[in-house]
Amino acid sequence: DTGVSQDPRHKITKRGQNVTFRCDPISEHNRLYWYRQTLGQGPEFLTYFQNEAQLEKSRLLSDRFSAERPKGSFSTLEIQRTEQGDSAMYLCASSSGERTQQFFGPGTRLTVL
Amino acid sequence: AQSVTQLDSQVPVFEEAPVELRCNYSSSVSVYLFWYVQYPNQGLQLLLKYLSGSTLVKGINGFEAEFNKSQTSFHLRKPSVHISDTAEYFCAVSRSSGYALNFGKGTSLLVTP
Repeated sequence: DTGVSQDPRHKITKRGQNVTFRCDPISEHNRLYWYRQTLGQGPEFLTYFQNEAQLEKSRLLSDRFSAERPKGSFSTLEIQRTEQGDSAMYLCASSSGERTQQFFGPGTRLTVL
Repeated sequence: AQSVTQLDSQVPVFEEAPVELRCNYSSSVSVYLFWYVQYPNQGLQLLLKYLSGSTLVKGINGFEAEFNKSQTSFHLRKPSVHISDTAEYFCAVSRSSGYALNFGKGTSLLVTP
């Protein structure tokens, strides 16, 4: 069990650029979650997948955000036309289903200049 | 919708003293409750969870929490803290285990000699 991994760990980009983050869940975990954490706040839910199906999306997930989990394994989160307000830590978590805990990755810290 | 309020943003405490971190939740349905810890520059780690059954829940590192339905609270306690307990602590609620977590804003625990 290698844990949840996220890549990259840090990303600095200029406003208006597109960025993509990757999350590799714990193997055989069928649920995968994305959260966003800004400084001094708790994580906020963005979206989650069960296998390859995206089952729930938060109001926070604007049209500029898109998430995929094409084969039910790794997931990508893309932000188009980044804004300074997108600067945050993006966290990924996975679980093996109901009544089990979510395991969190180390996060990807995004800075939009 | 479920929400969580962490009543203290910062809690300073001396080493070997007891500590209580307060968490209140609001929900119109039955909920599942969690406490996570985030050490500096590390990912979120589950301390304990309440899904059902006994209202007193024991977690890792000597922490425990008590679910109080009438007071809609889930306070975290430890009888004697260590310097190494210095971290950010997050209370979270979910309408069901395996679904999205709604986090509080966090409580920063600072343990000093």
